[in-house]
Amino acid sequence: DQQVKQNSPSLSVQEGRISILNCDYTNSMFDYFLWYKKYPAEGPTFLISISSIKDKNEDGRFTVFLNKSAKHLSLHIVPSQPGDSAVYFCAASDTSGGGADGLTFGKGTHLIIQP
Amino acid sequence: GAGVSQSPSNKVTEKGKDVELRCDPISGHTALYWYRQSLGQGLEFLIYFQGNSAPDKSGLPSDRFSAERTGGSVSTLTIQRTQQEDSAVYLCASSPILSGTDTQYFGPGTRLTVL
Repeated sequence: DQQVKQNSPSLSVQEGRISILNCDYTNSMFDYFLWYKKYPAEGPTFLISISSIKDKNEDGRFTVFLNKSAKHLSLHIVPSQPGDSAVYFCAASDTSGGGADGLTFGKGTHLIIQP
Repeated sequence: GAGVSQSPSNKVTEKGKDVELRCDPISGHTALYWYRQSLGQGLEFLIYFQGNSAPDKSGLPSDRFSAERTGGSVSTLTIQRTQQEDSAVYLCASSPILSGTDTQYFGPGTRLTVL
């Protein structure tokens, strides 16, 4: 049973446009969400996070939106740049476990920025 | 400073052999996590260490898997009598403390192929 779902395996966006990556979750105990970015042959690198007490968090070109009632979050990248081409993983955490449950990851979305 | 390192980067082994994967976390990080990513899947949480202690081994896929951490630093993940389904990328991450909100920093992973 997949608790974090990224339903788009890949997404192609033109350079300069907005990229929107979506993520849905089923476990209502999740209260902290993260996005990681992964280049080939490298480990995932942390991008941005959001606590369930917020509905938006912004960091430069990256904004994460959280809709708790819909159990949905999205990552917006604007404007998209060629270096943004990577696999993006959505991850969730139940912080009541204090980190003992690790992070639950989606399968990832491969973002391709076209020139 | 140095990030999380893992060795070997690639390991090809024959079915039935034992393998040992190594993780060097960021210096001073007390929490260490192991994940694996099978082909086409998201990252699957395996086990965490708080210092040298791993209180919960229930995430390990089978009793052929074991992990240890010594000196609060290096960790090894051992797979005995490897099977083809063990083929995956094994990722290690560390964070300053065990917390549901602390950023986990990932190593580049070890790609294990069991023939």
